[in-house]
Amino acid sequence: DADVTQTPRNRITKTGKRIMLECSQTKGHDRMYWYRQDPGLGLQLIYYSFDVKDINKGEISDGYSVSRQAQAKFSLSLESAIPNQTALYFCATSDSRGTEAFFGQGTRLTVV
Amino acid sequence: RKEVEQDPGPFNVPEGATVAFNCTYSNSASQSFFWYRQDCRKEPKLLMSVYSSGNEDGRFTAQLNRASQYISLLIRDSKLSDSATYLCVVRSSGTYKYIFGTGTRLKVLA
Repeated sequence: DADVTQTPRNRITKTGKRIMLECSQTKGHDRMYWYRQDPGLGLQLIYYSFDVKDINKGEISDGYSVSRQAQAKFSLSLESAIPNQTALYFCATSDSRGTEAFFGQGTRLTVV
Repeated sequence: RKEVEQDPGPFNVPEGATVAFNCTYSNSASQSFFWYRQDCRKEPKLLMSVYSSGNEDGRFTAQLNRASQYISLLIRDSKLSDSATYLCVVRSSGTYKYIFGTGTRLKVLA
């Protein structure tokens, strides 16, 4: 089993729908991150969390919200999906020393 | 200006060639540096961390120049399996945010 698990792996949704992407980890890391990746733009940070009570906006948080339900779970919500939110979404974790980040396998989201 | 900049490539090189990628970063408070590898829309995976004194892992050598704020990755004796996108990653002191470059595409040709 993967250390960082994202569900769903693929999703097609309609404009205006609410959708939640989930991430869970078994690495025992405090820090969790959500990124989106678009062709030619690299990975852009949406939100990050250093513990259950600490949530921070990244560079592109508009249109997204997050919930850190437990140390191991960090979910990303699109309250009202729009087509330009079509992208590949990655969840990542890191330990408190800030060594490498570990990524989930990604969620390919298409908003039609 | 982007916080982390890379040449997007693509770099097309023959098998056995040596290829080098550079990456520049703008935040002088950056503390940790990494090269990640990403295959065709899969998750990024750590290739190597980059240390101040430079470090080597087999055919891969990473260098850091703090004064000029750039890091480099050298790949020797390129293999077909090295074809991928190489992501330069910088973590700033205190914020623990990982900032990614857009990636450099490498294609090794038979």
